[in-house]
Amino acid sequence: GNSVTQMEGPVTLSEEAFLTINCTYTATGYPSLFWYVQYPGEGLQLLLKATKADDKGSNKGFEATYRKETTSFHLEKGSVQVSDSAVYFCALSDRAGGGADGLTFGKGTHLIIQP
Amino acid sequence: AAGVIQSPRHLIKEKRETATLKCYPIPRHDTVYWYQQGPGQDPQFLISFYEKMQSDKGSIPDRFSAQQFSDYHSELNMSSLELGDSALYFCASSLGTSGSLAYEQYFGPGTRLTVT
Repeated sequence: GNSVTQMEGPVTLSEEAFLTINCTYTATGYPSLFWYVQYPGEGLQLLLKATKADDKGSNKGFEATYRKETTSFHLEKGSVQVSDSAVYFCALSDRAGGGADGLTFGKGTHLIIQP
Repeated sequence: AAGVIQSPRHLIKEKRETATLKCYPIPRHDTVYWYQQGPGQDPQFLISFYEKMQSDKGSIPDRFSAQQFSDYHSELNMSSLELGDSALYFCASSLGTSGSLAYEQYFGPGTRLTVT
């Protein structure tokens, strides 16, 4: 079956530090990959996506590249801000069966940015 | 921009009672998904609908059922509630099931269900 593995944290960084959150996946087909962010008490917001190998998703200074050879989709940001503090979820949709397939999520990484 | 609307936002029920959660997708979105997120857990996919037909099924208990109506809103019906059903229930919507936009699921704010 499908699975997503990501570092669970918490990850604590100082403001303006470089961020990497690792994410690897196992899928039966050719999945699409996503990063979602969840702020306290809120729903999940789509941060970025990549739908095929070597695609790079980017948004709000965050980037992630779909690496088929290493089955990875690591999230990076060059300079984090206090407002980036949240829980980040890596997710996949393999669409092997077609239709509206549900997402498979990782366990989430709690990111804490200190001033 | 309009977002996914869920109601109620909070719900308290007792064991063995029933609950109905409602979801109103983003206008023009025809696909709805339901997820359950336990405390400190990742969201677990329950079920999805496309054009009012069930499309994919995840780890939805037999005590739960759902449907999508002609106006594309969806309801999740939960019966014989158990303490373990206490969780945040998210609805998400997307446009179609193929093409780039179909991969973008937009989540609502969730309904927090507490079973006592």
